[in-house]
Amino acid sequence: KQEVTQIPAALSVPEGENLVLNCSFTDSAIYNLQWFRQDPGKGLTSLLLIQSSQREQTSGRLNASLDKSSGRSTLYIAASQPGDSATYLCAVAMEYGNKLVFGAGTILRVKS
Amino acid sequence: NAGVTQTPKFQVLKTGQSMTLQCAQDMNHEYMSWYRQDPGMGLRLIHYSVGAGITDQGEVPNGYNVSRSTTEDFPLRLLSAAPSQTSVYFCASSYKRGGYNEQFFGPGTRLTVL
Repeated sequence: KQEVTQIPAALSVPEGENLVLNCSFTDSAIYNLQWFRQDPGKGLTSLLLIQSSQREQTSGRLNASLDKSSGRSTLYIAASQPGDSATYLCAVAMEYGNKLVFGAGTILRVKS
Repeated sequence: NAGVTQTPKFQVLKTGQSMTLQCAQDMNHEYMSWYRQDPGMGLRLIHYSVGAGITDQGEVPNGYNVSRSTTEDFPLRLLSAAPSQTSVYFCASSYKRGGYNEQFFGPGTRLTVL
């Protein structure tokens, strides 16, 4: 059974810091990996999707890497801002990407 | 496009009552799914569908029914609500195009069962 773990569970940093969120998974037979952002009381917003054959994806200040063989992914946020405060969820897709297995998330607080 | 829509946003039920959570998407996605989110846990898959007329169970299907009569709609039915079904429910849809399959989520339904 696929299990996804996110470390740390919570993180508080001063504005401007670069930070790394970690995600690990137990079964390397994934279709892709997605990072989501969730604001309190809201739905999920997709940030980055990395296909199983890719090593990394970038969008603005965000960079996500994938090492499928070791079962790890990292989300790098450069020059963090208070608006980045949210819960960040990692999810691996089994089969054709329809069945997602989620981690419990990392709660990020960026202090101004 | 409205994307993925869910109704209602909030609902309070008494134990034993039944209800249907509605989900609709206007992106012509083949795949639709229902997840529940509980405090301190990641989202867990309840049921999913790969197209009209085809549904299958996810990780936590007990107590829920689904059907998919159209591409656009994927309702989730609670037959006899229990306090353990208090949760936030998210509907998602996705397409498969060139192997890139991004999931789009609705805003969620917050359900409380008393």
